[in-house]
Amino acid sequence: DVKVTQSSRYLVKRTGEKVFLECVQDMDHENMFWYRQDPGLGLRLIYFSYDVKMKEKGDIPEGYSVSREKKERFSLILESASTNQTSMYLCASSSGKSTGELFFGEGSRLTVL
Amino acid sequence: AQSVSQHNHHVILSEAASLELGCNYSYGGTVNLFWYVQYPGQHLQLLLKYFSGDPLVKGIKGFEAEFIKSKFSFNLRKPSVQWSDTAEYFCAVNRENAGNMLTFGGGTRLMVKP
Repeated sequence: DVKVTQSSRYLVKRTGEKVFLECVQDMDHENMFWYRQDPGLGLRLIYFSYDVKMKEKGDIPEGYSVSREKKERFSLILESASTNQTSMYLCASSSGKSTGELFFGEGSRLTVL
Repeated sequence: AQSVSQHNHHVILSEAASLELGCNYSYGGTVNLFWYVQYPGQHLQLLLKYFSGDPLVKGIKGFEAEFIKSKFSFNLRKPSVQWSDTAEYFCAVNRENAGNMLTFGGGTRLMVKP
């Protein structure tokens, strides 16, 4: 069974802290994605990666960075967390073929105080 | 920029009622269309997809969706909903040759009353 695992389900951080969200997939997928999910706004793409050490900005990259040192792992970094980054963060992966099927993790709910 | 609109943010139905959730997109070229579902406490999963061919596509759990190119729409339907269909539903679009880059709508939260 395919699996995308996000390291933390719930985090509470203070404004200005550095935050790491980790995501691991076991399907040998080339593509990995970070979305944030907010009520009424759906999912918005922050960053994606189509290969190791490759990254592309999505629709809302400001305030975020990413790292992909290994194929199975894609990390989202908030260099200095702010209250407007309180959200649910979803990691997803997909194969290199253009099928459009993304496999999602269960999400990491981040609260920034 | 490409956008996806889901007009109903919240829908409440009784069991056995029929369901139709609207989805419209703005991109004028060739697109691939998807519906994803998120059941309470679970991860998002693919419900159905349209790439080409018959514009009426069938997905899991009795859901279907119809692609109407002239209306830029991809509405989701189910003839008779069940309590277990309570979930949030997301329409998504990607452009041809855009790989797996999906643009999602704002979601529709469906509650089915037993």
